[in-house]
Amino acid sequence: SAVISQKPSRDICQRGTSLTIQCQVDSQVTMMFWYRQQPGQSLTLIATANQGSEATYESGFVIDKFPISRPNLTFSTLTVSNMSPEDSSIYLCSGGMDEQFFGPGTRLTVL
Amino acid sequence: GESVGLHLPTLSVQEGDNSIINCAYSNSASDYFIWYKQESGKGPQFIIDIRSNMDKRQGQRVTVLLNKTVKHLSLQIAATQPGDSAVYFCAERVGGGNKLTFGTGTQLKVEL
Repeated sequence: SAVISQKPSRDICQRGTSLTIQCQVDSQVTMMFWYRQQPGQSLTLIATANQGSEATYESGFVIDKFPISRPNLTFSTLTVSNMSPEDSSIYLCSGGMDEQFFGPGTRLTVL
Repeated sequence: GESVGLHLPTLSVQEGDNSIINCAYSNSASDYFIWYKQESGKGPQFIIDIRSNMDKRQGQRVTVLLNKTVKHLSLQIAATQPGDSAVYFCAERVGGGNKLTFGTGTQLKVEL
């Protein structure tokens, strides 16, 4: 199994600002993913973070709003840009090929 | 798609009883399924997985059953303990892909 850490664990941000969330895996993984989870709801895939190429975004999510980097097989970042209160959520990264292991999440509140 | 404005279904069981959590999936092309446990304030934790060429798989105190005919997945937890209290999600992966699609989740409450 892989151990995944995320930074920050939580943040409170002002409308219009951006936040970058970091995801670190303790071993090399082929696939990394970013999800959003509204409180009390299920997980929605934002994008697949591809190493060495542009991320693959799901319907409803765009690169300008959620730019993603994946410089190597153990690290990825997700930026939430030009934030609004509607972006308040938990953001989770995962890694793995078949079994996906999850980080603890970043709880974001936008005022 | 994303669940909107729905409260999670809840399953309440007595400590020591067996729990059965159900999940209906929609895509007949799904070939891999995972059950996750999510405790409050934490990320989802992998419990057990099953591939579509199997109909049953057992782990420690957990069993997953897959019925491809009716596209149904269940998680059975034996001798449920207070530490089993959490939200449980099923997730499916369509054959040939890497993405997981998550179900809406079930809140399991264990009563002492």
